[in-house]
Amino acid sequence: GQQVMQIPQYQHVQEGEDFTTYCNSSTTLSNIQWYKQRPGGHPVFLIQLVKSGEVKKQKRLTFQFGEAKKNSSLHITATQTTDVGTYFCAGTPTGGYKLSFGAGTTVTVRA
Amino acid sequence: SAVISQKPSRDICQRGTSLTIQCQVDSQVTMMFWYRQQPGQSLTLIATANQGSEATYESGFVIDKFPISRPNLTFSTLTVSNMSPEDSSIYLCSVEGPGGRRGELFFGEGSRLTVL
Repeated sequence: GQQVMQIPQYQHVQEGEDFTTYCNSSTTLSNIQWYKQRPGGHPVFLIQLVKSGEVKKQKRLTFQFGEAKKNSSLHITATQTTDVGTYFCAGTPTGGYKLSFGAGTTVTVRA
Repeated sequence: SAVISQKPSRDICQRGTSLTIQCQVDSQVTMMFWYRQQPGQSLTLIATANQGSEATYESGFVIDKFPISRPNLTFSTLTVSNMSPEDSSIYLCSVEGPGGRRGELFFGEGSRLTVL
């Protein structure tokens, strides 16, 4: 079955630095979504990408969907303490309907 | 956006008992999704609840263990039956966004169950 893998599992970042988390699928995806879950909270939708090579920005967050529609990345610039949390990617396989979540990247920030 | 209320927000349960989690949405939705998030893990879909029909369960989840009700388009319940410590998880209710935001999932606050 389809698997969505995320790396790294943990990201410890110095405040002000940049980092990237990656999402890879074993099959082609019709879309990729990203969610953020704060400690003790519930997942909150950030963005959805549907086009090959698509890039979207939300302030300091840049989301990219790969040309082959099998991978995605989330890049955060100038990390702040408010960026702490777990970032999940989730993808729907092409021709399918079931959304599969990656294992998440848990981000901690050193002030 | 959809506003989702879940009850209880947390509970401590004894082994062998059952607990029913309620999910109320502020708008009518066709499908409601129930997810499980084990400690430190990702989200796993338990089942999809459609109004007027039986829920569709994912591989590894069965109706006898996780019975679901969907009496109307704004409400659903998930029961965790005959609980064991392995059932200690966060259970999340979710719906898709309305209209143009279809595909985007909104989650309730979650029900954090600890089974002793």
